[in-house]
Amino acid sequence: EPEVTQTPSHQVTQMGQEVILRCVPISNHLYFYWYRQILGQKVEFLVSFYNNEISEKSEIFDDQFSVERPDGSNFTLKIRSTKLEDSAMYFCASSRGSGQAATNEKLFFGSGTQLSVL
Amino acid sequence: GQQVMQIPQYQHVQEGEDFTTYCNSSTTLSNIQWYKQRPGGHPVFLIQLVKSGEVKKQKRLTFQFGEAKKNSSLHITATQTTDVGTYFCAGPVGSQGNLIFGKGTKLSVKP
Repeated sequence: EPEVTQTPSHQVTQMGQEVILRCVPISNHLYFYWYRQILGQKVEFLVSFYNNEISEKSEIFDDQFSVERPDGSNFTLKIRSTKLEDSAMYFCASSRGSGQAATNEKLFFGSGTQLSVL
Repeated sequence: GQQVMQIPQYQHVQEGEDFTTYCNSSTTLSNIQWYKQRPGGHPVFLIQLVKSGEVKKQKRLTFQFGEAKKNSSLHITATQTTDVGTYFCAGPVGSQGNLIFGKGTKLSVKP
């Protein structure tokens, strides 16, 4: 079965540094997402991306965060100046979607990148 | 804002016992999805319920969607050690497919 792949699996960084988390969504999917999960807590929505632009974002996704689809396969999340509280597991997900709506579509999650900010 | 609540937060059972987790939304949902996250793993889609009052079964797992489409439950009959993990319900927010997740119920099964 097709998979969402994420790299790296672990990232350790110093506070204030920039990090880029990488994802390769499933190839025929149209909607891409970033979620995060702080240890032992719920999965929180960050941002959704469709047709090469952000379609929705949560209040967590502030000016320090950005997403990009630099080519036809990669989807990246950049954190410009990391804070201690950014430490979490970051999951990329994709869904097939149809046209401009993706309601009722299941999400396929990658294995995640564990980000540790020291 | 929209909230999805799940209870219990933790459930410890003896292998062979049944298990149920309950999910409640503050708003009516167009559908509800259930995901399972194994320890150290990522959420994996289990099922989606769309119709009011819908009941779906997957082997020992039974999923229900309430008549008002605001609550749902997952029941596992005769748990096995392979059922260990955290079970999340999730409802859609907007039309772009993003989901709001409940806090999950962490199931541990004692052999």
